[in-house]
Amino acid sequence: DTEVTQTPKHLVMGMTNKKSLKCEQHMGHRAMYWYKQKAKKPPELMFVYSYEKLSINESVPSRFSPECPNSSLLNLHLHALQPEDSALYLCASSQGGVHYGYTFGSGTRLTVV
Amino acid sequence: ELKVEQNPLFLSMQEGKNYTIYCNYSTTSDRLYWYRQDPGKSLESLFVLLSNGAVKQEGRLMASLDTKARLSTLHITAAVHDLSATYFCAVVSNTGNQFYFGTGTSLTVIP
Repeated sequence: DTEVTQTPKHLVMGMTNKKSLKCEQHMGHRAMYWYKQKAKKPPELMFVYSYEKLSINESVPSRFSPECPNSSLLNLHLHALQPEDSALYLCASSQGGVHYGYTFGSGTRLTVV
Repeated sequence: ELKVEQNPLFLSMQEGKNYTIYCNYSTTSDRLYWYRQDPGKSLESLFVLLSNGAVKQEGRLMASLDTKARLSTLHITAAVHDLSATYFCAVVSNTGNQFYFGTGTSLTVIP
């Protein structure tokens, strides 16, 4: 299995809702990442987990809460989002750091109404 | 902070023509990646360039890296419509724990 699987593919949520994005990989990669991408812009790093521990948080608002229950799974919990949070959310994994490059998931298209 | 700039940002070219996309970065790095992204889709890895002078080719795309000039190029030969997409370069930070993406080049190939 050489894929990073993200669910759901599309999500529409209200500003008072709580939802979660899920990311799964079975390649034995030890680092996992969340990126946010707005249209026509490059991906922006949000969080990095290395060996199941949060190693980088790029000053992301607390309405985004990451969780890494095990080495194969990464979640992003969403609460009280704003319309400007609408974007493509990409998960990625790497073997042991960025020197090995990333494998990106197919993304979750999030719309906040 | 490492800065990565691409040019052009937008490129419209006719089928059959050649063109080059440039990726400049601001500090030392010896690993550079090129990705392709179709509208609404995720990023597809195209090339990994690991050393000065590295050159890789796949079909109509060829990428090169000059670490001394801090420059990578993505050359398109005899463009076809299927190459229409956004292309990103990405550079590994000096500490090795972050990617820095370029600004992206939106390529449209016109029949």
